[in-house]
Amino acid sequence: QQQVKQSPQSLIVQKGGISIINCAYENTAFDYFPWYQQFPGKGPALLIAIRPDVSEKKEGRFTISFNKSAKQFSLHIMDSQPGDSATYFCAASSQGGSEKLVFGKGTKLTVNP
Amino acid sequence: KAGVTQTPRYLIKTRGQQVTLSCSPISGHRSVSWYQQTPGQGLQFLFEYFSETQRNKGNFPGRFSGRQFSNSRSEMNVSTLELGDSALYLCASSPRPGQASYEQYFGPGTRLTVT
Repeated sequence: QQQVKQSPQSLIVQKGGISIINCAYENTAFDYFPWYQQFPGKGPALLIAIRPDVSEKKEGRFTISFNKSAKQFSLHIMDSQPGDSATYFCAASSQGGSEKLVFGKGTKLTVNP
Repeated sequence: KAGVTQTPRYLIKTRGQQVTLSCSPISGHRSVSWYQQTPGQGLQFLFEYFSETQRNKGNFPGRFSGRQFSNSRSEMNVSTLELGDSALYLCASSPRPGQASYEQYFGPGTRLTVT
């Protein structure tokens, strides 16, 4: 059972454009939703995270939008740059003593110059 | 502050052998989690350790095991290797379990190839 569904699988955006990646979850106990960025040959790097008590969080060009009723959250990358080309993973976890992160399948983003 | 370090970075083993991977968390971090990353299954949780105790375990066979030492360093072991165990094994650390420690920081991983 895939608890976090991520789409699209791949995304091509022109430089300066907006990249949007969506995730949906099933487990209502999830209360922490991070996004990770992974470059080839590297481990995932924490990009930005949100908790369900807010609907939006912005850090620089990266914004997370969160819709608790729809059980969906998304990552928006404004003014996308070629250096943003990477694989992005959404994830979720629930308080309760576990550090277990449940990941989406990932989105490979390509930003063309 | 140094990040999470994992050794070795690359490893080639033969079916039936066993392997031990090592992880040193960020200084001051006491919780260590392990994940397996493959193209087909993505990132899957293996297990989590805090204060030398396994707190949670993912859905992997008993061939996969781990431990944590008093200095928070962790090792994972895979016995009787199978071809399907070829993957990137990632270690992540966080300060401690609980709300304040949700931020997990990953190491570069160990690329295991089983032939």
